[in-house]
Amino acid sequence: NAGVTQTPKFQVLKTGQSMTLQCAQDMNHNSMYWYRQDPGMGLRLIYYSASEGTTDKGEVPNGYNVSRLNKREFSLRLESAAPSQTSVYFCASNLQGYFSNEQFFGPGTRLTVL
Amino acid sequence: ELKVEQNPLFLSMQEGKNYTIYCNYSTTSDRLYWYRQDPGKSLESLFVLLSNGAVKQEGRLMASLDTKARLSTLHITAAVHDLSATYFCAVVISYAGGTSYGKLTFGQGTILTVHP
Repeated sequence: NAGVTQTPKFQVLKTGQSMTLQCAQDMNHNSMYWYRQDPGMGLRLIYYSASEGTTDKGEVPNGYNVSRLNKREFSLRLESAAPSQTSVYFCASNLQGYFSNEQFFGPGTRLTVL
Repeated sequence: ELKVEQNPLFLSMQEGKNYTIYCNYSTTSDRLYWYRQDPGKSLESLFVLLSNGAVKQEGRLMASLDTKARLSTLHITAAVHDLSATYFCAVVISYAGGTSYGKLTFGQGTILTVHP
């Protein structure tokens, strides 16, 4: 099993450009999440999908949109990138939102917005 | 709003010494996670603590949970250089009659450096 995979690993954008970060998991997990990590602030939840067909906002959703394409895939889109979105983005998944014991993280996407 | 605070944020230790990292959280939770992150890497799950009084140990690390005090500790015994990393605690809010959907709120992280 590959676990949670993310593409791309690195990306540099100019202000105003758009892009989509891709995430896929092969563990048959129901719930998927997008976090961003900034220095000194830990990880903060952007959006989550409790199950296929549902998405909801997390702590810092402004400037982002998500799509739960199917059970395996959960993408994060930046419509008009801003320097404040320079961060490391992690996708995560777990089996079932309430009773699961562990959340698995992907390798991360390092995004720089100039 | 759930707040999770770790201390210390920076910890410089000598090899062979013992120390404890503290994780306080502000609202009711019955699940707490500890993760390790090496520079430039993803998060690695260390411990999952599911009930009051839970204690788990793996090698030189031991984690405990006191839900009444809303406190978890990560104790390091006889530190070695390989333990140098950033350690995060993360908490899931408990909702009476509902579900948290597994959403994690993270502490700021503790950067641990172990010196010879």
